[in-house]
Amino acid sequence: EAQVTQNPRYLITVTGKKLTVTCSQNMNHEYMSWYRQDPGLGLRQIYYSMNVEVTDKGDVPEGYKVSRKEKRNFPLILESPSPNQTSLYFCASSFYRGQGASNYGYTFGSGTRLTVV
Amino acid sequence: AQSVTQLDSQVPVFEEAPVELRCNYSSSVSVYLFWYVQYPNQGLQLLLKYLSGSTLVKGINGFEAEFNKSQTSFHLRKPSVHISDTAEYFCAVSEGSGSARQLTFGSGTQLTVLP
Repeated sequence: EAQVTQNPRYLITVTGKKLTVTCSQNMNHEYMSWYRQDPGLGLRQIYYSMNVEVTDKGDVPEGYKVSRKEKRNFPLILESPSPNQTSLYFCASSFYRGQGASNYGYTFGSGTRLTVV
Repeated sequence: AQSVTQLDSQVPVFEEAPVELRCNYSSSVSVYLFWYVQYPNQGLQLLLKYLSGSTLVKGINGFEAEFNKSQTSFHLRKPSVHISDTAEYFCAVSEGSGSARQLTFGSGTQLTVLP
């Protein structure tokens, strides 16, 4: 089954304790991205990657790191989490946009609910 | 830079009534448009998308949307809603050329279907 898999689904941690949220896709997508969802704000992009070893900042990158060493994996790293990073996080992947390509679209993981106390 | 505005944060509607969820976007280039649905405690599921061609797009669960370039809108409609349609709905835009950087979301519309 084609999917984006995130782990863990739920995570409670303390301020300052480094953590990693994993994301893996099995669709051979070039493009991967991380979003955070907060009430009333919709989803905001944190980082994205257009291919292996190619990453760039989204709208809210502060306090996050990413890496793309393999095409299928795109982990999100919080080196020193703070309470304002308490949120619902989504990983998404897509083929690189081709002009009018009918298969273009984003597949989302099930989400990771992170609480930082 | 692209942006998306969902004009209604909450839409209550009675079961079997029609509904329209409004979405307007701004972009200086051609766009691809999406509607996603999020049921409670779940991820995002694609309802429908506009990439090119016919401006009336049909999606899953009886939803449809119409792309209106002159009004920069992509409103979502369903002629008769069910209780099970209660969810949050997100409109999103991706620019049709240039950087593959961004799928930009609106702030969401909570649709509540009342018995």
